[in-house]
Amino acid sequence: DAGVTQSPTHLIKTRGQQVTLRCSPKSGHDTVSWYQQALGQGPQFIFQYYEEEERQRGNFPDRFSGHQFPNYSSELNVNALLLGDSALYLCASTFSASMETQYFGPGTRLLVL
Amino acid sequence: RKEVEQDPGPFNVPEGATVAFNCTYSNSASQSFFWYRQDCRKEPKLLMSVYSSGNEDGRFTAQLNRASQYISLLIRDSKLSDSATYLCVVENSGGYQKVTFGTGTKLQVIP
Repeated sequence: DAGVTQSPTHLIKTRGQQVTLRCSPKSGHDTVSWYQQALGQGPQFIFQYYEEEERQRGNFPDRFSGHQFPNYSSELNVNALLLGDSALYLCASTFSASMETQYFGPGTRLLVL
Repeated sequence: RKEVEQDPGPFNVPEGATVAFNCTYSNSASQSFFWYRQDCRKEPKLLMSVYSSGNEDGRFTAQLNRASQYISLLIRDSKLSDSATYLCVVENSGGYQKVTFGTGTKLQVIP
């Protein structure tokens, strides 16, 4: 049973570019959340997707957008990249009807130059 | 005030020592509490949930104090392999999960 998977593992972009990160949830999970973790900080909640809709959003600008597909996989898009967007981007999944907490993927490490 | 606050440490302790971390939260309506462990350059992994009655898993004990709005993690007989960052997590389930992480407390167990 595969856990949460993310791609790519590492990415280098330059300021102003756009990036798309991908996540496949754990088998049986239908809810995907995205987090940004800067160096030395805890993960910061970006948004959560359920039934292909964004149902909750953290304090992130509109440059951060996402999508969830019918197979529950998800994408995180970041436009007009800034140096400060350099971070580890974590995807976590859970099953909406369960009380269990979420499982995290290995993350995508993004470096913006 | 931050929603979830932790002492970032680092806590440097010798093998075999007992170490405790606290985490305070600001939303009195918070419903679920967890400790996660994160190794360097890895994803967070659930260590244990925290219940009002307290819970224990081997050398690890977690406690919740709703009146004072803090949770704690106690590690007994520290091992070198316990070296990691410990993240406090608070969930507010207002119809759906809102998850807030603390900044983490770094533990280094020294031989």
